[in-house]
Amino acid sequence: GQQLNQSPQSMFIQEGEDVSMNCTSSSIFNTWLWYKQEPGEGPVLLIALYKAGELTSNGRLTAQFGITRKDSFLNISASIPSDVGIYFCAGQAFNYGGSQGNLIFGKGTKLSVKP
Amino acid sequence: KAGVTQTPRYLIKTRGQQVTLSCSPISGHRSVSWYQQTPGQGLQFLFEYFSETQRNKGNFPGRFSGRQFSNSRSEMNVSTLELGDSALYLCASSLGDRGGDAFFGQGTRLTVV
Repeated sequence: GQQLNQSPQSMFIQEGEDVSMNCTSSSIFNTWLWYKQEPGEGPVLLIALYKAGELTSNGRLTAQFGITRKDSFLNISASIPSDVGIYFCAGQAFNYGGSQGNLIFGKGTKLSVKP
Repeated sequence: KAGVTQTPRYLIKTRGQQVTLSCSPISGHRSVSWYQQTPGQGLQFLFEYFSETQRNKGNFPGRFSGRQFSNSRSEMNVSTLELGDSALYLCASSLGDRGGDAFFGQGTRLTVV
């Protein structure tokens, strides 16, 4: 199935460092979502973006909806050990009938934080 | 407000058997979507139900089916299980409107032996 290009695949960083990851698509999306997943759990919604150019923060997390509607990025500032996990981007477009389409996911960015 | 509840959390089945997984969405949410997560393929969309009707469908064989009840609870069924069906099955609930955020359950870990 269709997937987004998410990079990097993995990151090993020192506690306190900032983190940046992004997703790109060949298709236009109406919504971009960022999730975090920890082992044995389902993805947890971090940030949702609805408009091109929108910049939204959630604590130390900041995400932006790209102007072209084909990309999005997520920044985590001053990382801490509990930021460890896999971060997924997801794009959503509307169907021809106007209803919301399904989520298309990136393959994830695995974040490791060294104390 | 209770989150999305999936049951059971873990299942072990034998090839050829069939299995039914259950998902109770967040109260007030009318859309339930199902996803399969595997290390190789990542998160793949199976289907979405909205107000008891299948609204979207992914590219999975007909062995994968689902339904939604009037209280928005949903079940998915996999018949004639294959080894490759081993995966984490996740359901997500949303209001179902444009831009409605999708919230996931903890998933059901299915192992086919």
